[in-house]
Amino acid sequence: SQQGEEDPQALSIQEGENATMNCSYKTSINNLQWYRQNSGRGLVHLILIRSNEREKHSGRLRVTLDTSKKSSSLLITASRAADTASYFCATDHLGYSTLTFGKGTMLLVSP
Amino acid sequence: NAGVTQTPKFQVLKTGQSMTLQCAQDMNHNSMYWYRQDPGMGLRLIYYSASEGTTDKGEVPNGYNVSRLNKREFSLRLESAAPSQTSVYFCASSEFPGTSPLHFGNGTRLTVT
Repeated sequence: SQQGEEDPQALSIQEGENATMNCSYKTSINNLQWYRQNSGRGLVHLILIRSNEREKHSGRLRVTLDTSKKSSSLLITASRAADTASYFCATDHLGYSTLTFGKGTMLLVSP
Repeated sequence: NAGVTQTPKFQVLKTGQSMTLQCAQDMNHNSMYWYRQDPGMGLRLIYYSASEGTTDKGEVPNGYNVSRLNKREFSLRLESAAPSQTSVYFCASSEFPGTSPLHFGNGTRLTVT
């Protein structure tokens, strides 16, 4: 399976703290994407990083990609209660035309 | 500004019954997808349509059929529902396959008894 794996499976922090979640994958990729899912809702795209990029920012989000280690991390700075959600990485693997999703990290941000 | 619309939101079926899940997008996207989400399994691709007129199997296609009715609509059919098909089903669309972000509907919660 090419499914990526997020780590940790669950993360609980206080408002104002930073949250870091990681994604590892097995085979070479074209790009890697991060999605957020609020309870009972569909996934929402957060950020896309291409294989030739090492870091990307969007607001309070920072994504890094290390293709030599086949891993990515998502950092959410100054977390808010509204950031409580599940976060998924999705990989676009060379030779394939669809995304493969990991199992997700559940983030709980307490006020 | 609807995006991706899925119907129905909830459905309960008895084993052996059939049903069709409907999906429509208004973003003029070329590609459409059906995923299922089960606890602890993440999202798994059932079928996809890279462009109008084409459909392909994903990771878990058994027990399902799809129809790309036109550029906007992509339906998923369960011919003879089984309890193992109890899941949350998500439709998604993207401008191009693989390289573009996916836009998801809010899902259909299906229970098969």
